[in-house]
Amino acid sequence: KAGVTQTPRYLIKTRGQQVTLSCSPISGHRSVSWYQQTPGQGLQFLFEYFSETQRNKGNFPGRFSGRQFSNSRSEMNVSTLELGDSALYLCASSLASQGEQYFGPGTRLTVT
Amino acid sequence: AQRVTQPEKLLSVFKGAPVELKCNYSYSGSPELFWYVQYSRQRLQLLLRHISRESIKGFTADLNKGETSFHLKKPFAQEEDSAMYYCALKGTGANNLFFGTGTRLTVIP
Repeated sequence: KAGVTQTPRYLIKTRGQQVTLSCSPISGHRSVSWYQQTPGQGLQFLFEYFSETQRNKGNFPGRFSGRQFSNSRSEMNVSTLELGDSALYLCASSLASQGEQYFGPGTRLTVT
Repeated sequence: AQRVTQPEKLLSVFKGAPVELKCNYSYSGSPELFWYVQYSRQRLQLLLRHISRESIKGFTADLNKGETSFHLKKPFAQEEDSAMYYCALKGTGANNLFFGTGTRLTVIP
């Protein structure tokens, strides 16, 4: 069974631009969660989607948004990028809303 | 508010020595506790969850509600245990994880 995949793996953007990251969960998994990992703040929860609905949201500004499609693939979008948005963005999928989370390799976003 | 504290950023032990990675948590309800591990150039993966009460790769962790701790232990460290270890908490009815800042374990041959 293929694991969680994330595209792109690396991305360089300029301040003020927007970016869209994609996550394909393990086949059959319906829950997708997003996390931001930085050296200063560690791993922080962004949001979770289950069956195309956002179930939970972390403490991030409205510039961070996401969505989930009917095939459970998820995208997250960051608008008006700031230097502090430079981070590794991890996606995790789980079979059910309370299941074990399987993590993807992450997308490394650099904002210059 | 929930919080997970891992007091040691770095921990070095000799091969064959016991290892203990500390984790303390703060949560008003009944949390579910996990240990995740990230080996070099690999993705984050689940090592242990407290409800399963099992030993994985020789590691065990016991939830102590009185001390609000979930320390990870192994009696004899191996070189392949060198990795980044994260303690994480999941709140009641939620699926999102709150992570500690992680402890980098180095096992010296």
